[in-house]
Amino acid sequence: QVQMVQSGAEVKEPGATVKVSCKASGYTFTTYGISWVRQAPGQGLEWMGWISAYYGTTRYAQNLQDRVTMTRDTSTTTAYMELRSLRSDDTAVYYCVKEGEVAGTVFFDSWGQGTLVTVSS
Amino acid sequence: DIQMTQSPSSLSASVGDRVTITCRASHIIYNQLNWYQHKQGKAPDLLIYGASSLRSGVPSRFSGSGSGTDFTLTINSLQPEDFATYYCQQSYNSPRTFGQGTKVEIK
Repeated sequence: QVQMVQSGAEVKEPGATVKVSCKASGYTFTTYGISWVRQAPGQGLEWMGWISAYYGTTRYAQNLQDRVTMTRDTSTTTAYMELRSLRSDDTAVYYCVKEGEVAGTVFFDSWGQGTLVTVSS
Repeated sequence: DIQMTQSPSSLSASVGDRVTITCRASHIIYNQLNWYQHKQGKAPDLLIYGASSLRSGVPSRFSGSGSGTDFTLTINSLQPEDFATYYCQQSYNSPRTFGQGTKVEIK
């Protein structure tokens, strides 16, 4: 079955960089895109961006595009999300999500377990 | 960006109740609307895609309807395991925006 397994929790100081990994298995990695979604404490879900697992092309949320980079390694079927210049309001659970598609409708059908990133001095 | 507005933001209901959550898009998104269930401490789960298609394995008490800008998630005969937060999300274009969520609590 499809599994998205993320790296463990991180604690970072303000201004630092975090890189979260997401190991995909159970499907052909290059067939579907991967999005990243985060949830800050007490807040809703925020879409951060998307990477094509086949081409490596990306789209980022406008409020993050200067600080985020998404990459993937097709040889290890792993996606990565790097967020730079961390601030306290970046404290959140970060999810990688596999996209699915049926009849032109795209949806998020398999989620990683989440990675808690805490930004604190 | 397309804004997604859910209502209500929270509701209290009893086991066996029928619950309706609405989601409005700021632009026409045709049927490009998905619904997710999110329980505390777990990853969200896809319930409905394409506005009305039930994901395989999701109980039939969940249903979705709507097209264009106005959408509805209905839970018939609410069960104890249904108490969670529900999010709509548009997949018409990027950024793939979510609604702010509707928390379904036990009355």
